[in-house]
Amino acid sequence: DIQMTQSPSSLSASVGDRVTITCRASQSISSYLIWYQQKPGKAPKLLMYVAYTLQSGVPSRFSGSGSGTDFTLTISSLQPEDFATYYCQQSYSTPWTFGQGTKVEIK
Amino acid sequence: QVQLQESGPGLVKPSETLSLTCTVSGGSINYYYWSWIRQSAGKGLEWIGRVYTSGSTNYNPSLKSRVTMSVDTSKNQLSLKLTSVTAADTAVYFCGREDSRGWNGMDVWGQGTTVTVSS
Repeated sequence: DIQMTQSPSSLSASVGDRVTITCRASQSISSYLIWYQQKPGKAPKLLMYVAYTLQSGVPSRFSGSGSGTDFTLTISSLQPEDFATYYCQQSYSTPWTFGQGTKVEIK
Repeated sequence: QVQLQESGPGLVKPSETLSLTCTVSGGSINYYYWSWIRQSAGKGLEWIGRVYTSGSTNYNPSLKSRVTMSVDTSKNQLSLKLTSVTAADTAVYFCGREDSRGWNGMDVWGQGTTVTVSS
């Protein structure tokens, strides 16, 4: 199985801050990288797929980059509704695997 | 818009079979992959497997010996069966939809259903 490792596990930030989350795959996954946002008690929400394609309806302050093994999710200006946990997932080969999550908290 | 709703027993005894249903409403079940994912405090998000509307399946090898997934297009429902459960199977179980290309992520999710394995 392909292992996905996110960093940091958590971060504290203020509204308006630029936030970057990193995801690393244990082997090359080309651009088959997905990002989800999850709020407490809710299902994950698809933010981005094939590393940098924004899902319909997702604000443009979210962006993704990377290929191969290293990927980043950037929130250009953190908004109150962005405080959540973010997960990466590889869709290069089954079984799909997820990172352990990055919790974005209010500073 | 498409909505998914998981249903099934919230409590299952050890060694028994966990059975869940996911009902698809507001859209077609056809030409999509339908995944089951679980989330526990100890293991985070874990992909259990998926079924295409043709009935073909991909299972996580870690669970393959215990998992069966199926789809009933006439009822717009998917089902998950997990046999010989233990406490390690306690989790929130979600169903999710993937498009027919199969690698663009799960764009629609159910709200999740909590399953506890305990005697």
